Amino acid sequence: AQTVTQSQPEMSVQEAETVTLSCTYDTSESDYYLFWYKQPPSRQMILVIRQEAYKQQNATENRFSVNFQKAAKSFSLKISDSQLGDAAMYFCAYRRSFTSGTYKYIFGTGTRLKVLA
Amino acid sequence: DAGVTQSPTHLIKTRGQQVTLRCSPISGHKSVSWYQQVLGQGPQFIFQYYEKEERGRGNFPDRFSARQFPNYSSELNVNALLLGDSALYLCASSLANSGNTIYFGEGSWLTVV
Repeated sequence: AQTVTQSQPEMSVQEAETVTLSCTYDTSESDYYLFWYKQPPSRQMILVIRQEAYKQQNATENRFSVNFQKAAKSFSLKISDSQLGDAAMYFCAYRRSFTSGTYKYIFGTGTRLKVLA
Repeated sequence: DAGVTQSPTHLIKTRGQQVTLRCSPISGHKSVSWYQQVLGQGPQFIFQYYEKEERGRGNFPDRFSARQFPNYSSELNVNALLLGDSALYLCASSLANSGNTIYFGEGSWLTVV
């Protein structure tokens, strides 16, 4: 069975600084997707960034980028120029390739990010 | 366009009662998924529906059931509520049963007392 592990329950970063959130996963599949979701106090899960396992190039979305290490099964999120609005719970998630017929997302336990003014 | 909408936002039920949670997907989305998020944990997959058919089920007891209607909205039903069913129930929708990104609603907070 696939698992997702986030070993940092809480992280803090100074405004305008850079922070990296860690995520490791376990799977025997070769084709899959990885995601980072943000959950602010409003509770709505918001997609931050998505990575296809078959792509070697790390995904980037504005101030958000990932370091995807497939062999190590590691998927970290880097937030540059942190802003107060980045404060939230961040969840790492895994999903098998859609060709597998299943659509289940597997989430980690989350990392609470605090941004200090 | 409206996002995924869920109702009710909050509700309190007594052990043994039954609850129905509702979800309206983004217009044009045909796939709906349900997740349970217990406080302090990540969401856990309950069901996925596409074109009114169940396409996936998580490791939840038969007390949990769901359905999708012709307009693609969905209901999640939980019977014989237990204290452990207290959680945030999230609905997510996507265009199709494929690699499309899923979009979440704000959830329904269920408290069982």
